[in-house]
Amino acid sequence: IAGITQAPTSQILAAGRRMTLRCTQDMRHNAMYWYRQDLGLGLRLIHYSNTAGTTGKGEVPDGYSVSRANTDDFPLTLASAVPSQTSVYFCASSRQWSDTDTQYFGPGTRLTVL
Amino acid sequence: EDKVVQSPLSLVVHEGDTVTLNCSYEVTNFRSLLWYKQEKKAPTFLFMLTSSGIEKKSGRLSSILDKKELFSILNITATQTGDSAVYLCAELRGNQFYFGTGTSLTVIP
Repeated sequence: IAGITQAPTSQILAAGRRMTLRCTQDMRHNAMYWYRQDLGLGLRLIHYSNTAGTTGKGEVPDGYSVSRANTDDFPLTLASAVPSQTSVYFCASSRQWSDTDTQYFGPGTRLTVL
Repeated sequence: EDKVVQSPLSLVVHEGDTVTLNCSYEVTNFRSLLWYKQEKKAPTFLFMLTSSGIEKKSGRLSSILDKKELFSILNITATQTGDSAVYLCAELRGNQFYFGTGTSLTVIP
């Protein structure tokens, strides 16, 4: 693995189902982020984690949960998916939570909730 | 409520043209302003700006921040078809990143 990987690449999901989007980075970055990208709304932060063991809410956290059990993994869970959660989801990481550190993005997961 | 506003929304130019993309942001808890290029998939980092008036340059791309007027510009000179992408501006405010909706640039041969 080099960089950030996300799985699955795409998924079609029935409303009401539970879904976990996976994100793994091998850069030993402390900070990780989940965004959703929607046409006309840009990238919006869902949740973030400054370091393993801590998480925080972003701009649009409702309906999503995250965990950060270790440095490398930052899964995003939709407990009961709704059609408004249809979006492209990007995971990102940065060395530290700092105004000097670049964010690196994963390839994205395209999720469709029917 | 618009936190980070980019203009224009889209732009079509010919190869060799120079383009200027604009990004305005909010001042509260401002920490830095970032530019990304997004082609088919994930955004890739271009610049991070924290100080006003200092130009950052990478090849044909350059960017500058004006903290008095609360905006940043991204310049691309001698555009090439490979510059076609959506260019995203993001503000790091407090402990969160806020992205604009992007400027879609199309460079025609």
